[in-house]
Amino acid sequence: DAMVIQNPRYQVTQFGKPVTLSCSQTLNHNVMYWYQQKSSQAPKLLFHYYDKDFNNEADTPDNFQSRRPNTSFCFLDIRSPGLGDAAMYLCATSSPDRGYQETQYFGPGTRLLVL
Amino acid sequence: QKEVEQDPGPLSVPEGAIVSLNCTYSNSAFQYFMWYRQYSRKGPELLMYTYSSGNKEDGRFTAQVDKSSKYISLFIRDSQPSDSATYLCAMSGGGAGSYQLTFGKGTKLSVIP
Repeated sequence: DAMVIQNPRYQVTQFGKPVTLSCSQTLNHNVMYWYQQKSSQAPKLLFHYYDKDFNNEADTPDNFQSRRPNTSFCFLDIRSPGLGDAAMYLCATSSPDRGYQETQYFGPGTRLLVL
Repeated sequence: QKEVEQDPGPLSVPEGAIVSLNCTYSNSAFQYFMWYRQYSRKGPELLMYTYSSGNKEDGRFTAQVDKSSKYISLFIRDSQPSDSATYLCAMSGGGAGSYQLTFGKGTKLSVIP
């Protein structure tokens, strides 16, 4: 089945220790998104790639970076995680230029714990 | 005023009840409306997708959009304990210029056996 895959599902890191979360998709969608979701809150968009074009949200901290080496893969790098970065990180994909496919498809998420 | 308002609940109903979940929005450019279901510690799962105004039914679920009132609803008939989750509404203007989703905060639903 076509899907969005995130690895790892759970990540524990130490305060200030860089961490990388990965996302892959078999949907062949051209847009990939990274969201941060804290408990009982809506997903908050951090940034997204429209094809190779990177789009950063204005309030995304510089501590968060992303890479998209090809259509299928996208990475979220947190350079120096703080306690406030503990959250669920969601990857999503969509293909808005296909007209009808305005919806986003989410992966299962990576739960990040910062010690 | 936030772009999308959604009552966070929590909402508790007995098994078999009809559940009504709602969102209001302020941006008249929104054309695509979605409901996502999110189980605890999981990613959101697309439940219903509607373009423009009208109703859409899928099994026990019915989505309604009233663009004139800027109001969308999700109805769940014969609710089951497995429906216990957080329901997020989301919407977008569509097209290459406004494809990003704006989410509501989600309503937490518990269906009691």
